[in-house]
Amino acid sequence: DARVTQTPRHKVTEMGQEVTMRCQPILGHNTVFWYRQTMMQGLELLAYFRNRAPLDDSGMPKDRFSAEMPDATLATLKIQPSEPRDSAVYFCASGLVRDTVPYEQYFGPGTRLTVT
Amino acid sequence: AQTVTQSQPEMSVQEAETVTLSCTYDTSESNYYLFWYKQPPSRQMILVIRQEAYKQQNATENRFSVNFQKAAKSFSLKISDSQLGDTAMYFCAFMKQANAGGTSYGKLTFGQGTILTVHP
Repeated sequence: DARVTQTPRHKVTEMGQEVTMRCQPILGHNTVFWYRQTMMQGLELLAYFRNRAPLDDSGMPKDRFSAEMPDATLATLKIQPSEPRDSAVYFCASGLVRDTVPYEQYFGPGTRLTVT
Repeated sequence: AQTVTQSQPEMSVQEAETVTLSCTYDTSESNYYLFWYKQPPSRQMILVIRQEAYKQQNATENRFSVNFQKAAKSFSLKISDSQLGDTAMYFCAFMKQANAGGTSYGKLTFGQGTILTVHP
C-alpha cells in the first residue's frame, strides 16, 4: 500500500528556531507539492516540483521558507527563522503527471507545526 | 487565475439521508478537471471523486455523485445514504489541463471547505 510519508507529524518550537519538514513521495511519482492549511487561509499551495526541479514557489514567503528535493525520495520544507504566524498543518502530496492525462494527488498525513 | 467558492461553511444530515454540497468556480480555461476531496478528523486528504470538464456525463463513485454544470461553472457533490463515516470537511478543487509549457499543470486550487456532520 504505497503512501506519502511525512515527518515529523507534530512539531512545537519557539519563535526564531529553524524547522525542517520532510516528505517521502510515492515511489515513481514525478511531482511533489507542499501545501499549508490554516483556518483563516484554507489550503494554500506553497511550492511544487516536477522531476525534482522547482516549478512554482510563488506561494511561499521567500525570505524565510525554502523547499528542496535533494533526491527523488525526499522533499524538504524549511522555515528559518520560524514565526508564530507559521503555525499550521503542512501537507506534502505527490502524483504521476503524464501529458494531459488527469491524475490524482496523494496526500501525506501532514505535519502540525506550532510556533510559540 | 482560478477561484473556487464553497458557500456552505457547515452542513448537517441525518444518517441514511441525502445531502448536496455546493461548489462554484471561476476560470477562463475550457479544459480542466474538478475534484472533491474529503478530510476526516484524522486530517488525511482523500480523493472522493473526479470530473473531466470535457465529459458531459456526471461522475459517480458508489454513494457519491456530482452535478457538473459547465456553463454555470457549478460542481456540486451529492452523498446518498449518508453514513457516520462521511463526517468530514469536504473540499472542492480545480486543476487546469496541461498547457504547452506544462509548468502550470497539476496545481490544485481549493475552495474553503464545507464541514459535513452526519448525525445518527
